[in-house]
Amino acid sequence: AQSVTQLDSQVPVFEEAPVELRCNYSSSVSVYLFWYVQYPNQGLQLLLKYLSGSTLVKGINGFEAEFNKSQTSFHLRKPSVHISDTAEYFCAVSGSGNTGKLIFGQGTTLQVKP
Amino acid sequence: GAGVSQSPRYKVAKRGQDVALRCDPISGHVSLFWYQQALGQGPEFLTYFQNEAQLDKSGLPSDRFFAERPEGSVSTLKIQRTQQEDSAVYLCASSQETGLNNQPQHFGDGTRLSIL
Repeated sequence: AQSVTQLDSQVPVFEEAPVELRCNYSSSVSVYLFWYVQYPNQGLQLLLKYLSGSTLVKGINGFEAEFNKSQTSFHLRKPSVHISDTAEYFCAVSGSGNTGKLIFGQGTTLQVKP
Repeated sequence: GAGVSQSPRYKVAKRGQDVALRCDPISGHVSLFWYQQALGQGPEFLTYFQNEAQLDKSGLPSDRFFAERPEGSVSTLKIQRTQQEDSAVYLCASSQETGLNNQPQHFGDGTRLSIL
């Protein structure tokens, strides 16, 4: 079975500071990894994905993530956050089998303070 | 725009009533997924369609939950004899290809269901 653990439920940070949102996964097979962002009362928007190749993945809005197979991690980073980055962030892994269903972590609330 | 559309956005029902939630995926998308997101939690998989075929319903919590996609486009999630624990946001997502775990899913804004 596959699972995703997001290590921080809330991350407060000041505007223009760097941030890292942590994600660890477990899987007995090769995985594809995703980060999604959810703004209040909206659905999920894809930030970035790791499929294969370079372990450093760049996404939208200045976010990037690094896949670390040995540590089974896929942490999300941004060098300088904005107030508008305040949202819920979800790490997800593609499920086993061939349906493509996603298994999500519990989410991390990023609170950017002025 | 041409995104995934869900209706209604909000639904309030009394315990014991039946509800139906609708999802219009992106045109031409083969795969369609339903997820349930409880308050403060990540989405949890409910069911998956490839065109009109329901290939995975392992996440449906009970036989009160039923989903269909008869013509391979619009899908409906039905919950019979609703209970308070059914209160959640129900998210629909679609993706272009099928059988590929690397396809990004495009999500609708969800239906927030409240059972009184």
